[in-house]
Amino acid sequence: AQSVTQPDARVTVSEGASLQLRCKYSYSATPYLFWYVQYPRQGLQLLLKYYSGDPVVQGVNSFEAEFSKSNSSFHLQKASVHWSDSAVYFCALSMSNTNKVVFGTGTRLQVLP
Amino acid sequence: EAAVTQSPRNKVTVTGGNVTLSCRQTNSHNYMYWYRQDTGHGLRLIHYSYGAGNLQIGDVPDGYKATRTTQEDFFLLLELASPSQTSLYFCASSEDWGGDTQYFGPGTRLLVL
Repeated sequence: AQSVTQPDARVTVSEGASLQLRCKYSYSATPYLFWYVQYPRQGLQLLLKYYSGDPVVQGVNSFEAEFSKSNSSFHLQKASVHWSDSAVYFCALSMSNTNKVVFGTGTRLQVLP
Repeated sequence: EAAVTQSPRNKVTVTGGNVTLSCRQTNSHNYMYWYRQDTGHGLRLIHYSYGAGNLQIGDVPDGYKATRTTQEDFFLLLELASPSQTSLYFCASSEDWGGDTQYFGPGTRLLVL
């Protein structure tokens, strides 16, 4: 069955440090992949998405993600985090033949000042 | 940018009670979705619709009904609420199917006593 795994429930980093949030997916074909962010008391907002082409995707607020078919991964990265990046981040997968999106369980990021 | 609103923002009911959650999107998107968000599960799809009068079953539909009365309005109905339905509910919309960006409302927090 198709699935998305975010192995880290919580990540804590210091302001200015680099960041990687991990996402692994299970799907036999090429998926649509997304990263969404959820700020406190808000709905989810799209950071970036990937379907084909350059495996490194640029997103909002200097986030980027790299697709790896061989590793079935779509890790989110940022070179230097800010305290305002503290939020919950969701990786999501959409299969090319359905109308559904499967979400991971989320990673809560805390950025220490 | 797409706007999705939900009402009420908070709701408390008793076991066996009737609850209706409302969602409206103002960009005439074709697809609308209802999710529930629970710790350790991420977002799970309850029902979705691709147009007025249409309803599709999601991944966790038991105990929920939904109705899409217009292009803009999508309702989630809990006719006999149970404590297991205590959750944070999100509505989302997208112009096209699951590979398209979803726009989320701010969420409704439901407590079933």
